[in-house]
Amino acid sequence: QKEVEQDPGPLSVPEGAIVSLNCTYSNSAFQYFMWYRQYSRKGPELLMYTYSSGNKEDGRFTAQVDKSSKYISLFIRDSQPSDSATYLCAMGPSGSARQLTFGSGTQLTVLP
Amino acid sequence: ETGVTQSPTHLIKTRGQQVTLRCSSQSGHNTVSWYQQALGQGPQFIFQYYREEENGRGNFPPRFSGLQFPNYSSELNVNALELDDSALYLCASSLGGQGITEAFFGQGTRLTVV
Repeated sequence: QKEVEQDPGPLSVPEGAIVSLNCTYSNSAFQYFMWYRQYSRKGPELLMYTYSSGNKEDGRFTAQVDKSSKYISLFIRDSQPSDSATYLCAMGPSGSARQLTFGSGTQLTVLP
Repeated sequence: ETGVTQSPTHLIKTRGQQVTLRCSSQSGHNTVSWYQQALGQGPQFIFQYYREEENGRGNFPPRFSGLQFPNYSSELNVNALELDDSALYLCASSLGGQGITEAFFGQGTRLTVV
């Protein structure tokens, strides 16, 4: 079993829809959580970062963490065609090391 | 733009050869991590350098080695290249030490081994 599980999709939604992307994890040592967006053949771009349970909002994006269930989500409101990309969840332990463990990514297409 | 730059952007090598990839970290960052991303997969941690010392290593063989310089830029070296080493190699820059900080990625180097 992988430490981080992410539905690979592909996920296709109409413009303006609310998108929900999810990851589950098994390692209780994970204390901080990130969401990255990756366009084709580019490096990942950091979208959201949090280290506590609950919700964190940034514009159209909301990151949700439930440490008791080992479950994280990213919600995208009013989705746009420019949101079409692969979304990667990543997480890491506390402490001096900054090793991130990534999910396999969910491919999202927002149709105009 | 993250301020993390990688070179070269693309590279083709023959099996058995050696390759060196380079990364310049974001200004003010003292930690560089390297990741390998196979097609259709998430990035996998190779190793991390903090203040010129290796500070954690993933499940990669010793033919993957690295170096960090006093200006915190870094190199990834891969010896005896294998076909399975074909991937996007990503460098991530962060501020190490106490606390938790974000990691910012460069655009990557796409390595093809033939």
